[in-house]
Amino acid sequence: GDSVTQMEGPVTLSEEAFLTINCTYTATGYPSLFWYVQYPGEGLQLLLKATKADDKGSNKGFEATYRKETTSFHLEKGSVQVSDSAVYFCALSGDDYKLSFGAGTTVTVRA
Amino acid sequence: GAGVSQSPSNKVTEKGKDVELRCDPISGHTALYWYRQSLGQGLEFLIYFQGNSAPDKSGLPSDRFSAERTGGSVSTLTIQRTQQEDSAVYLCASSEGGQVGNTIYFGEGSWLTVV
Repeated sequence: GDSVTQMEGPVTLSEEAFLTINCTYTATGYPSLFWYVQYPGEGLQLLLKATKADDKGSNKGFEATYRKETTSFHLEKGSVQVSDSAVYFCALSGDDYKLSFGAGTTVTVRA
Repeated sequence: GAGVSQSPSNKVTEKGKDVELRCDPISGHTALYWYRQSLGQGLEFLIYFQGNSAPDKSGLPSDRFSAERTGGSVSTLTIQRTQQEDSAVYLCASSEGGQVGNTIYFGEGSWLTVV
């Protein structure tokens, strides 16, 4: 079945550092890929998505490119802020329309 | 409403009691999902409704769990004879449905504690 593997956390960074969270997937067909974010005390929010190979999703300075050849969708941000502290989830949606989530990566940004 | 609405936001119940959790999806969304988020288990799919089709119940962990969706809108997740391991955040989500790649929008969740 479909599955997502993402980098284990927690990750602690200083403000303005570069952030990468690795995500790889296993799926049949052509899934859509997502990054969701959960800020402290809040619900899950869509951060960005990509629906086909080579698509780049971007939002709030974050980017991820759908790489079919490496089955990856790594999340990157060039300069993080304290407000980016959150749990980040990589997810995919396949032919069955359900979201399969990675385990989540906790990111803490220090001032 | 503007987003997916869930109630109650918090529920504490005694072991063995039944609980009902309610979800009001985004207006016009035909697809509705329930997920469970618990420590050490991540986000687990529970059940999926799409329009008038039979629901996909493949994620329900036991026959103590059931869900219904009335009139293609509001959904209720029922847990009978609750156990301590049922303690988790229960997340409802909805989407326009029917297409791979549709964005799935989540509610704030119902935090269930079984004591």
